[in-house]
Amino acid sequence: DTGVSQDPRHKITKRGQNVTFRCDPISEHNRLYWYRQTLGQGPEFLTYFQNEAQLEKSRLLSDRFSAERPKGSFSTLEIQRTEQGDSAMYLCASSLGGLAGGPDAKNIQYFGAGTRLSVL
Amino acid sequence: LAKTTQPISMDSYEGQEVNITCSHNNIATNDYITWYQQFPSQGPRFIIQGYKTKVTNEVASLFIPADRKSSTLSLPRVSLSDTAVYYCLGGMNTGFQKLVFGTGTRLLVSP
Repeated sequence: DTGVSQDPRHKITKRGQNVTFRCDPISEHNRLYWYRQTLGQGPEFLTYFQNEAQLEKSRLLSDRFSAERPKGSFSTLEIQRTEQGDSAMYLCASSLGGLAGGPDAKNIQYFGAGTRLSVL
Repeated sequence: LAKTTQPISMDSYEGQEVNITCSHNNIATNDYITWYQQFPSQGPRFIIQGYKTKVTNEVASLFIPADRKSSTLSLPRVSLSDTAVYYCLGGMNTGFQKLVFGTGTRLLVSP
């Protein structure tokens, strides 16, 4: 499978615990994104990496959230001291960035199946 | 980023053509229109993208009139497996662009 993979698919945790999710993007993609989706809503942007650099973070990403992409390949999203409001689907996407107007620059993002987090 | 408006839900039957219209009155000159499909418990999947006139691929067609203030996603001969949420997004096709999703259109295809 050469798509975006996320692990785990489901995570149940107790309030106050830390959780970490992993995303493996499509291998040649230099851009990686994290989104969060709650029931009945569309995904909401959390953060974005180009290679290993984290270039933008949403205000949704509180100080309990941290994301890394240490070698510009896979990424991890950690949530510390989880709260019930953190329960959601966490989606990872990747894309191939290119020069403006070039064939690679369509900003088509490919999503993984997501990690569903339930905080009890 | 262009704000988009689309119907909350649509119903159809197998074999029919489904057209989902999205309005984006404040679309910018550099904005493209992109549609994603999402099944329950899965991430969104890219369907089609266009700038103007008509784009067709193996899955759908996208019609964008000259004023580009709206667009229509056309799904020919839908099947039960086309039951999903469809999102219309407007944004630049170049450089980094976070995707801004609305609530989408829930399409239900019945036998």
